[in-house]
Amino acid sequence: DSGVTQTPKHLITATGQRVTLRCSPRSGDLSVYWYQQSLDQGLQFLIQYYNGEERAKGNILERFSAQQFPDLHSELNLSSLELGDSALYFCASSPRGGQLYGYTFGSGTRLTVV
Amino acid sequence: TQLLEQSPQFLSIQEGENLTVYCNSSSVFSSLQWYRQEPGEGPVLLVTVVTGGEVKKLKRLTFQFGDARKDSSLHITAAQPGDTGLYLCAGARGGGSNYKLTFGKGTLLTVNP
Repeated sequence: DSGVTQTPKHLITATGQRVTLRCSPRSGDLSVYWYQQSLDQGLQFLIQYYNGEERAKGNILERFSAQQFPDLHSELNLSSLELGDSALYFCASSPRGGQLYGYTFGSGTRLTVV
Repeated sequence: TQLLEQSPQFLSIQEGENLTVYCNSSSVFSSLQWYRQEPGEGPVLLVTVVTGGEVKKLKRLTFQFGDARKDSSLHITAAQPGDTGLYLCAGARGGGSNYKLTFGKGTLLTVNP
């Protein structure tokens, strides 16, 4: 157990639908990062939150949004889903000084859009 | 454009062999990290290298950060089936709350018994 909890572990949904992925960071970590992993693109950075505020955006589609709540858990919302959104979605957390400590990843949510 | 290039993309070897995988970039990073990912799990941090030319050893794994802080290598001695997994390098930029990692696509290592 890494200390980062992601739910659900698997999600199957139809095109056009909306889903919410949830992440609880490791205790004490203020930064939460969302990544999408596919076979051809590898781990792609989506968005980062630090203590409730958005800090950086990567290749996140306009159909996707995220937020971090006062208790530091985070949710990634994916809407108008397309077949190409099928992927593994990872959440990671780090302490403020993440440069030396690295990221702690959750086990991911496998999203399948049919 | 992939910021970090990892090679080889796939590597299949026999137990007991040695191997080296590479992580190259045209950009300078403040630090570089190596992760290993097993099927169905998230990446797990193996090591962080910070100083150009730094070498770190973790049992049978040796990590090196290039002098110019643009590249890194991972050498495994006497590989074992338990070393099987996806090895990812990640370059760090920024600091404090603005710290961000960029990942390579990884080297998928299979060690056959």
